[in-house]
Amino acid sequence: DVVMTQSPLSLPVTLGQPASISCRSSQSLVHSDGNTYLNWFQQRPGQSPRRLIYKVSNRDSGVPDRFSGSGSGTDFTLKISRVEAEDVGVYYCMQGTHWPALTFGGGTKVEIK
Amino acid sequence: QVQLVESGGGVVQPGGSLRLSCAASGFIFSNYGMHWVRQAPGKGLEWVAFIQYDGSNEHYADSVKGRFTISRDNSKNTLCLQMSSLRPDDTAVYYCAGGSDYWGQGTLVTVSS
Repeated sequence: DVVMTQSPLSLPVTLGQPASISCRSSQSLVHSDGNTYLNWFQQRPGQSPRRLIYKVSNRDSGVPDRFSGSGSGTDFTLKISRVEAEDVGVYYCMQGTHWPALTFGGGTKVEIK
Repeated sequence: QVQLVESGGGVVQPGGSLRLSCAASGFIFSNYGMHWVRQAPGKGLEWVAFIQYDGSNEHYADSVKGRFTISRDNSKNTLCLQMSSLRPDDTAVYYCAGGSDYWGQGTLVTVSS
């Protein structure tokens, strides 16, 4: 089974400063079709998860451009260029390559210093 | 506007059963493989089950295999999860998800005597 490992567990950030979250998979996430099905989700307090990024680096509709995703193979990163108050929450990476199970990272809690 | 609305959660005794439903609208339900994902209180996201777009294949997490059954009715745009032999560690918010694109608001299942 694929294991997704996120770091850090907690990320205190000053408003306006950048933030970066790492996600590593135990196996390559490159699918036989050539795509890499690595997504990033945001879960604000009391809300359901919302997808921000799909296939490593594609922003979903309505997602601010301060969010960006990068990486390949087994190493991936979510970056927030300038953290805003509304970005507080838990962020999860998720793989969909090794179908049909979805595997999530353990989550990174972003909070304001 | 895409909507996934879960229902059927509640409090049930250990060993009991519960049936969750998810009503979909705003997208072509019959084109999407559908998942159930759960989140125990204060914990991360755990994939539970998947059903293919046409209902031809089902897959389950080891933790629920043999106890939970996923089903769908494409004529009614509805996804279901029949849960039996429930245990306290099944206590969670249960989300239905269309692929990884769309998520519902969740329904809380509490297994307690």
